[in-house]
Amino acid sequence: KQEVTQIPAALSVPEGENLVLNCSFTDSAIYNLQWFRQDPGKGLTSLLLIQSSQREQTSGRLNASLDKSSGRSTLYIAASQPGDSATYLCAVKTSYDKVIFGPGTSLSVIP
Amino acid sequence: DTEVTQTPKHLVMGMTNKKSLKCEQHMGHRAMYWYKQKAKKPPELMFVYSYEKLSINESVPSRFSPECPNSSLLNLHLHALQPEDSALYLCASSQEGGTPYEQYFGPGTRLTVT
Repeated sequence: KQEVTQIPAALSVPEGENLVLNCSFTDSAIYNLQWFRQDPGKGLTSLLLIQSSQREQTSGRLNASLDKSSGRSTLYIAASQPGDSATYLCAVKTSYDKVIFGPGTSLSVIP
Repeated sequence: DTEVTQTPKHLVMGMTNKKSLKCEQHMGHRAMYWYKQKAKKPPELMFVYSYEKLSINESVPSRFSPECPNSSLLNLHLHALQPEDSALYLCASSQEGGTPYEQYFGPGTRLTVT
């Protein structure tokens, strides 16, 4: 059974710092891995999608990597801003359309 | 247009009420999903429709009844809910089921059962 974990559960950093969020999954048979952002009480915003055959994806200040063999993904945020404060969720898509989310990392960027 | 819309945004209902949640997308996607998210928890998959047919039911109680009238529309009919069913209900769509295509999420319906 696929399980997804995220470390750390919460993170507080001063504005301008670079930071790394971690996601681990137990079964490497995935279609893709997606990183989302969720603001309190709101829906999910897709940040980056990495296909199982890819190693890395970049969008602006965000960079996500995927190491399928070790069951790990990282989300790197450069030059953090207070507007980056949110919960970040990773999700793996397995066969048969099952999408399993990690518990999330709550990020707070202090001005 | 990469938008998934959900109505209503908020819903308060009693345990004897019948209500419906609605989800719509106009991206030509053929797979649509319902998720339930409790406070401070990740979303949990409830149902998947692929080409308007129910393909996954994650052992959801029968008081939740999904319906996919056409390829753009997904409904979730609610009846005799319990207070513990209060949650954020999220809809998503994807180009095709059973594929690596990205999921797009709607803003959710905040449901409170009194």
